[in-house]
Amino acid sequence: AQTVTQSQPEMSVQEAETVTLSCTYDTSESDYYLFWYKQPPSRQMILVIRQEAYKQQNATENRFSVNFQKAAKSFSLKISDSQLGDAAMYFCAYRRTGNQFYFGTGTSLTVIP
Amino acid sequence: EADIYQTPRYLVIGTGKKITLECSQTMGHDKMYWYQQDPGMELHLIHYSYGVNSTEKGDLSSESTVSRIRTEHFPLTLESARPSHTSQYLCASSDVGQVGSPLHFGNGTRLTVT
Repeated sequence: AQTVTQSQPEMSVQEAETVTLSCTYDTSESDYYLFWYKQPPSRQMILVIRQEAYKQQNATENRFSVNFQKAAKSFSLKISDSQLGDAAMYFCAYRRTGNQFYFGTGTSLTVIP
Repeated sequence: EADIYQTPRYLVIGTGKKITLECSQTMGHDKMYWYQQDPGMELHLIHYSYGVNSTEKGDLSSESTVSRIRTEHFPLTLESARPSHTSQYLCASSDVGQVGSPLHFGNGTRLTVT
């Protein structure tokens, strides 16, 4: 069974600083996709970044980057130069073949002005 | 701007009422999903569909039903709402034809059953 674990229910970061959100997953597959989603309060869930398991290079999207460690089954999200608008729930998700998605329990990120 | 639309955005109804939560997407995606999410909590898959006339139950047992008569439309129905159904319901879609396609979410419907 696939499981996704986010061990940090809450995190906080000072504005303009860097924060890393952790995510681990369990799978027996070799080909899969990993995602980070952001859900601001009372707003739509949006995709932050995507990583393909067969690619060793870590994905980056502007201030967002991941540290993908396939052997360790770890997929952390780094947010650089944090902004007030980054405050949200962040969900790590695993997608297996067949389009099934599995989500972690989420990390609530607070950005301190 | 959302390409997947959910209505209503908020709904407060009494116990025993029948309700339908609407979800439509304009992206032509084959696969659509319904997730249930309590505030600040994880998502639980309750239904999904691979395409027209295809529906499956998800991991979380739910008393709701779904239909998929048109590709773009995936409504969720509760025949008799109960307070235990109070939650947020998120509709999503993905492009089966695109390798690694992410989920695209609607804005959600926040349901309160009194």
